[in-house]
Amino acid sequence: SQQGEEDPQALSIQEGENATMNCSYKTSINNLQWYRQNSGRGLVHLILIRSNEREKHSGRLRVTLDTSKKSSSLLITASRAADTASYFCATARTDSWGKLQFGAGTQVVVTP
Amino acid sequence: DTEVTQTPKHLVMGMTNKKSLKCEQHMGHRAMYWYKQKAKKPPELMFVYSYEKLSINESVPSRFSPECPNSSLLNLHLHALQPEDSALYLCASSPKETNSNSNQPQHFGDGTRLSIL
Repeated sequence: SQQGEEDPQALSIQEGENATMNCSYKTSINNLQWYRQNSGRGLVHLILIRSNEREKHSGRLRVTLDTSKKSSSLLITASRAADTASYFCATARTDSWGKLQFGAGTQVVVTP
Repeated sequence: DTEVTQTPKHLVMGMTNKKSLKCEQHMGHRAMYWYKQKAKKPPELMFVYSYEKLSINESVPSRFSPECPNSSLLNLHLHALQPEDSALYLCASSPKETNSNSNQPQHFGDGTRLSIL
């Protein structure tokens, strides 16, 4: 079964607005990671948050993790057209080293 | 440009052909991965190599045969594929910490888009 489920499936916003997407998971994790995938390209790692962390920032990205609710959110502030991409959460489960399980992804479109 | 290089970028093959996908990284990473990704879906793990040894096979059909000749190279040999095998095949690598079970971020190549006729 899918470890990470994301919502929304798709998000359309204008430049300058914030984009928020959520990820839920089912089992105990070591960390949760967010990746971006531009059309026709590979995945790019954005940020990793460990299970003992609650919030992390990287540039315009803010990630939160609530292990009690088994959920995470990714906030992109002041979005740009170049942020148009699919965003995936991926969980590193405690019982399976070497495996990342990806959520279904959120497709974000930022219009100028 | 990504630090993981995959060739070819595109591949069209018939169901009776034999071909290979190649992946190369020079970051000194000791874990390498193959994923399959269908359109508008997340990547699905196929194989994991750790220190050039196969450590995970996600019940992948034998028509896919991975090989890790050295710490920088990863191949995926293809034979007698089916039309449903058409997909984007992604290679990734990550450092491996032998004394920790914490995963590290994975670095992905741009993939090989495979079409089976």
